[in-house]
Amino acid sequence: NAGVMQNPRHLVRRRGQEARLRCSPMKGHSHVYWYRQLPEEGLKFMVYLQKENIIDESGMPKERFSAEFPKEGPSILRIQQVVRGDSAAYFCASSPPIGRNTGELFFGEGSRLTVL
Amino acid sequence: TQLLEQSPQFLSIQEGENLTVYCNSSSVFSSLQWYRQEPGEGPVLLVTVVTGGEVKKLKRLTFQFGDARKDSSLHITAAQPGDTGLYLCAGAEGNEKLTFGTGTRLTIIP
Repeated sequence: NAGVMQNPRHLVRRRGQEARLRCSPMKGHSHVYWYRQLPEEGLKFMVYLQKENIIDESGMPKERFSAEFPKEGPSILRIQQVVRGDSAAYFCASSPPIGRNTGELFFGEGSRLTVL
Repeated sequence: TQLLEQSPQFLSIQEGENLTVYCNSSSVFSSLQWYRQEPGEGPVLLVTVVTGGEVKKLKRLTFQFGDARKDSSLHITAAQPGDTGLYLCAGAEGNEKLTFGTGTRLTIIP
């Protein structure tokens, strides 16, 4: 069983460029969550998605950030016109459908974005 | 926004000593989880506690959920260098998102 797969593991962008981070959930999991982690800090919730639906985006900045989880393919977190403050580790997690979900999340290894 | 405060933020102790890490909130959670994260990796689930007052043991680690389901503690007996890492508590709000604590960075000195 493959775990949650994230790519790229490391991404370097210059200010003003776009960053796209991808996440493939564990097999059989239909819920995807994105979290951001700054150095020496805990994880901050960004967005929770199910296939083709955004369930909760209360943690997403209002501008430049967007997320999707299409019917086919991975979930994508997109950051437009990146700024230095966007430099962080972005973690994706997945969980089974409601009904089999105990609230436990399975995390990927993260994508580390560095903005120059 | 529900907040989870962890204490201490940093802890450095000698191998063989015991320690306790705390996770506190003013909010009630349906369940609470503890994760450990090592540098360059994602968090890995250690345990989930669901019932108020519940105690779970995982080898040398003992986890307790407060009676009111607002707080939790993690006790490590005879700490080993392999216990070094960032320990994160996380409260579950039903079947949806987790709210993570501020983290405790533990260093065990050989």
